[in-house]
Amino acid sequence: QSALTQPASVSGSPGQSITISCTGTSSDVGAYNYVSWYQHHPGKAPKLMIYGVSNRPSGVSNRFSGSKSGNTASLTISGLQAEDEADYYCSSYASSSTPWVFGGGTKLTVL
Amino acid sequence: QVHLVQSGAEVKKPGASVKVSCKASGYTFTSYDINWVRQATGQGLEWMGWMSRNSGKTGYAPKFQGRVAMTRDTSISTAYMDLSSLRSEDTAVYYCVVGYSYGFSFDYWGQGTLVTVSS
Repeated sequence: QSALTQPASVSGSPGQSITISCTGTSSDVGAYNYVSWYQHHPGKAPKLMIYGVSNRPSGVSNRFSGSKSGNTASLTISGLQAEDEADYYCSSYASSSTPWVFGGGTKLTVL
Repeated sequence: QVHLVQSGAEVKKPGASVKVSCKASGYTFTSYDINWVRQATGQGLEWMGWMSRNSGKTGYAPKFQGRVAMTRDTSISTAYMDLSSLRSEDTAVYYCVVGYSYGFSFDYWGQGTLVTVSS
């Protein structure tokens, strides 16, 4: 069981927007603004899409945005495109013996 | 440009050990911590541990404590992850990861090393 809770799957049609939630606790997501999101295409290395809750690394499309409220962080992808179909993982810094925790991953299907 | 190049796939029997290497280039090896993350078959990402850039001090997730050892050879900019007493549940892709450009996140990943544990 992963430390952070994500929905197993979400789907949307091209052009639509979707949001993936990531629920943690007051010891991780709720405690720090160090939530990041990763896009993972099978067979490839994960790619950083959002860091520090809502910041985009250089080169990442502005269709990707992040936010946080309390113990829940969210990733929103607007204007869905076929190439967005992938697994998405959230991660947070945590004040525990395991400083980095991940969510179980969400499979995004673009219909 | 930062590159992390990992060693090739391994097949091991239960109870054996595996050592995965991660050769870094494009940056000063001792300037950034190296973390190890794995994805077991059908599972999500899982943080295993890290090695401090300065001292080489290590920290491991409780789940792997006693079975994992992370080391490095700074002369060849290479990090190593040793996992012992392998069991079938350790069948996974193992990644070395560096947080280089953005704080408290991982922006550079090795290509992954598949370790298969099977009798």
